[in-house]
Amino acid sequence: GQQVMQIPQYQHVQEGEDFTTYCNSSTTLSNIQWYKQRPGGHPVFLIQLVKSGEVKKQKRLTFQFGEAKKNSSLHITATQTTDVGTYFCAGQDGGSQGNLIFGKGTKLSVKP
Amino acid sequence: EAQVTQNPRYLITVTGKKLTVTCSQNMNHEYMSWYRQDPGLGLRQIYYSMNVEVTDKGDVPEGYKVSRKEKRNFPLILESPSPNQTSLYFCASSSTGRNEKLFFGSGTQLSVL
Repeated sequence: GQQVMQIPQYQHVQEGEDFTTYCNSSTTLSNIQWYKQRPGGHPVFLIQLVKSGEVKKQKRLTFQFGEAKKNSSLHITATQTTDVGTYFCAGQDGGSQGNLIFGKGTKLSVKP
Repeated sequence: EAQVTQNPRYLITVTGKKLTVTCSQNMNHEYMSWYRQDPGLGLRQIYYSMNVEVTDKGDVPEGYKVSRKEKRNFPLILESPSPNQTSLYFCASSSTGRNEKLFFGSGTQLSVL
């Protein structure tokens, strides 16, 4: 079945450093979504990418969808303590059910 | 306010004692889903429902039941809980389930002793 691999599992950075998390799917995706879960909270939708090669920005966050629509990345520039949390990618295949498959997440900690 | 409401927020129970975790959404969403979250394993789907009276197994359905008698409600039932079902559970919904973002409930932390 479809799998979505996400790396790294953990990332510790100094405040001000950049951070990137990567997702790879075993199959071509119709779209990929990114979620953020703050400590003790629930996942909250950040963005959805649909087009091959798509790049979207939200302030210091840059999201990319690969040309083959099998991989994606989230890059945070100059991390802040408010960026702390777990970031999940979730891929939706183009099959009949189109269920979202979540990666295992990258837990980001930021040292002030 | 648009939201997904889960209850209870915390639950401690004993092995074999049937329990139900409720989930309700007020957005008229067709798609609803249950996930469990365990350290290092991310979010794993238990069951999902594309619409009323339509439910399907996710990746880890064993030991769980669901029902979708009404559009807004999607309860998760553990007929005979076991310690390996100790986990953080999330209910989520989206408009259609296809190319739509998920709205998550606040979660239910379940401990089975």
